[in-house]
Amino acid sequence: KNEVEQSPQNLTAQEGEFITINCSYSVGISALHWLQQHPGGGIVSLFMLSSGKKKHGRLIATINIQEKHSSLHITASHPRDSAVYICAVTLTLYGGSQGNLIFGKGTKLSVKP
Amino acid sequence: NAGVTQTPKFQVLKTGQSMTLQCAQDMNHEYMSWYRQDPGMGLRLIHYSVGAGITDQGEVPNGYNVSRSTTEDFPLRLLSAAPSQTSVYFCASSYGGLWETQYFGPGTRLLVL
Repeated sequence: KNEVEQSPQNLTAQEGEFITINCSYSVGISALHWLQQHPGGGIVSLFMLSSGKKKHGRLIATINIQEKHSSLHITASHPRDSAVYICAVTLTLYGGSQGNLIFGKGTKLSVKP
Repeated sequence: NAGVTQTPKFQVLKTGQSMTLQCAQDMNHEYMSWYRQDPGMGLRLIHYSVGAGITDQGEVPNGYNVSRSTTEDFPLRLLSAAPSQTSVYFCASSYGGLWETQYFGPGTRLLVL
């Protein structure tokens, strides 16, 4: 059973399109992360959020704690946005532990010119 | 700042050999962690450290050892490499823990024959 599910697994879009990637989780969390993994393999943190909405440039991340769901939106998509987008959740602290970071399998996005 | 650095970038080992994957950060981050990434699976936490002298196990610790003698360095040791340890390994750090932005190293690709 996957505690973090992403959809879709693969996504192809035309340049300029509005893109939405979804993340659902089944556990109590203290934070949710959106990461970008470039074709070369490097991983960059895009957002870390625990409530509401964050925006950075053309990227918007939202989270609904009650529904255990987060979305990553890309407006006016561009070929340079082509990457794997990974959702990860920080489990709620328990028993003094620092918790654990559970990752989704990623969404592979390809934006065509 | 160099950020998070990892060496080597690529390594081939024979079954039973030992080696150490190096990870260093120059951001004075207390929290450091090691992940492995396998095809079709999300990243998985191997070991983590909340500060010098303190380490703990993650989701998949078997076959790996870590130590944290300084704030900057967090090496991962494979005691007796097995083909199942063929993977891409990422080191990450953050200032306070998993509820803060994670900074990832470029990764080490390991092949165990």
